[in-house]
Amino acid sequence: QQQVKQSPQSLIVQKGGISIINCAYENTAFDYFPWYQQFPGKGPALLIAIRPDVSEKKEGRFTISFNKSAKQFSLHIMDSQPGDSATYFCAASWGFNKFYFGSGTKLNVKP
Amino acid sequence: GAVVSQHPSWVICKSGTSVKIECRSLDFQATTMFWYRQFPKQSLMLMATSNEGSKATYEQGVEKDKFLINHASLTLSTLTVTSAHPEDSSFYICSARARSGVDRSLRQPQHFGDGTRLSIL
Repeated sequence: QQQVKQSPQSLIVQKGGISIINCAYENTAFDYFPWYQQFPGKGPALLIAIRPDVSEKKEGRFTISFNKSAKQFSLHIMDSQPGDSATYFCAASWGFNKFYFGSGTKLNVKP
Repeated sequence: GAVVSQHPSWVICKSGTSVKIECRSLDFQATTMFWYRQFPKQSLMLMATSNEGSKATYEQGVEKDKFLINHASLTLSTLTVTSAHPEDSSFYICSARARSGVDRSLRQPQHFGDGTRLSIL
């Protein structure tokens, strides 16, 4: 059973637009929800993360919205730039143990 | 900031050989290290979790005799792919978790390496 489901699989956004990626999780015991950015041939890099006791967290152009009752969380990238073009993964874990990753979203920001 | 180094970054070898991949935490002590495998255009799949000084815990479906993991020190874990075959070709990524309660200044619970591209001919 897939613990974390991510959509869309790919996303094309114009420069300056808003990129939105969604994830849903199954296990209510999860207590840590990070988003990672991965460039080809590189390991994932942490973008932003949230704990379930808050509904939103913003860091620069990146915002996580978290809906505990719906078991969903999303990443919003404001003012998207071509340099944001990468693959994005959501993940979930409890107790900072094993991470369950979503299937990934390939973002392409058009100049 | 915290850095996790993987070596080599890319390796090509013949079918049947064994390949060792190193994962080092450069500026913190990692009590736990995780090994992931990522096939092209797919997500990261956890292979095993290793704690310093003890045997690794493998995920279901991962052959422990084929993927040997050693975590002999707080800064080094190794993954050895034994008798590698073309289907083992993949991107292998490690992550390291700091000792809790000691490294509170670290921003994130797991730090990922830059991965190792393994190609078996």
